Formats: sequence, C-alpha cells, structure tokens
Amino acid sequence: EVQLLESGGGLVQPGGSLRLSCAASGFIFSSYAMNWVRQAPGKGLEWVSVLYSDGSNTNYADSVKGRFTISRDVPKNTLSLQMSSLRPEDTGVYYCAKASTVAITIFESWGQGTLVTVSS
Amino acid sequence: EIVLTQSPVILSLSPGERATLSCRASQSVSNYLAWYQQKPGQAPRLLIYDTSNRATGIPSRFSGSGSGTDFTLTISSLEPEDFVVYYCQQRSKWPLTFGGGTKVEIK
Repeated sequence: EVQLLESGGGLVQPGGSLRLSCAASGFIFSSYAMNWVRQAPGKGLEWVSVLYSDGSNTNYADSVKGRFTISRDVPKNTLSLQMSSLRPEDTGVYYCAKASTVAITIFESWGQGTLVTVSS
Repeated sequence: EIVLTQSPVILSLSPGERATLSCRASQSVSNYLAWYQQKPGQAPRLLIYDTSNRATGIPSRFSGSGSGTDFTLTISSLEPEDFVVYYCQQRSKWPLTFGGGTKVEIK
C-alpha cells in the first residue's frame, strides 16, 4: 500500500525559510515522479512542483520559481521541498503526491498534508 | 496558463439523484482532464483521469466524458459519502492547473 507522510510544516515569518519532507513507502520510490500541491485555507488546489523519476528534471509553478527547490533522497525514500523567501500567500496545506504510471502529471496517491503558515 | 472553470459552484441534490458536474477549459486540453474528490479535512483522491478512465478502486457510479474544452463528471446515483467537493485538473500544458471546485451538498 502506498503511504506518503508529510512533515516540516509550521509558522514562519515572511522572508523566512522552511523545508518540507515527504516520507514514502509501499512503492519503488526512485521509479516515480513526485509532485507537491498546495491548498490555501478554504481555497482550491494549486500545483507547485514536480520532480521527474530521473531525479534531476524538475518543473515549478511561476508563483514559486526561484524560491522553492524540490529534491529527493532515494536511500531514505524521502521527497523534500526547500522553501525560501516565503510570503503570506504561500500559506496553506502542502501535499506530496505520487504520479501515476500513466503520466507524471496525474496525481495518483496523496499524503495527508502539512500546514505552512507565513505570518508575522 | 489554462484556466478551468467549474460549474455550478454548489450543486444541491438528494441521495439517489444523478449529479452532473461541468468543467470548461479556456483552451483545448485534448482529453487530458482528471477529476478529484476531496472530503473535509482529507487529501484529494483521484477519481477519473484522461477524461473517462476510472482510477483504481473507484465505483462505477462515477463516469467522465468530454473533449477539447468541455468536460463532465457524472455520478449516476448519489451515495451519502458523495456529498463533498470535486476538482478538475488539466495536464495538457504547463503549468498544471485545477478548477475552482464544485461542492455537492444535500438538498
């Protein structure tokens, strides 16, 4: 069974940094693309970033490009999102999502999310 | 970026009724359209991908149709657990985008 467990969320001041982690199990982590998707409080879903299965190719939403970095640690089966220069509009629940075997852009399995609050 | 507009925003129906949810794209997404269900306090769950393919374990009462810019999610007979929020998502072009959601509520 696929399991994804996010951690690392919390309260951070504007301009600060935070690193999110997603512990993966139940599948061959290195064989799948992984995504981060976020949801502002009471709002809809916003795709943030993808890491391809090769571990090096990435893509980002314009809203986070240059500020966020996605990466993984294969031996630890962990996906990460390093967030810097945080803004209040980055506040929300951050989900990691495993891509489908059909396409990297289909979010097949999701973690329960970790809440990031950017506020002074 | 491709904008997805979902309608209605709120759909009020009774258990056992048929639900029809719409998703319209600002430009063609071919058949690269998915639907997700989100229950309160939970992560989204993939229901349908590439317009009409049900994800693993999804009941047959959920079906999808459409092409180009107009898509529909149909729930043939609403069960109590179906009264939640649904999002569409396109994967035709970067950035990946979601619709604003449709909430199906009990009438």
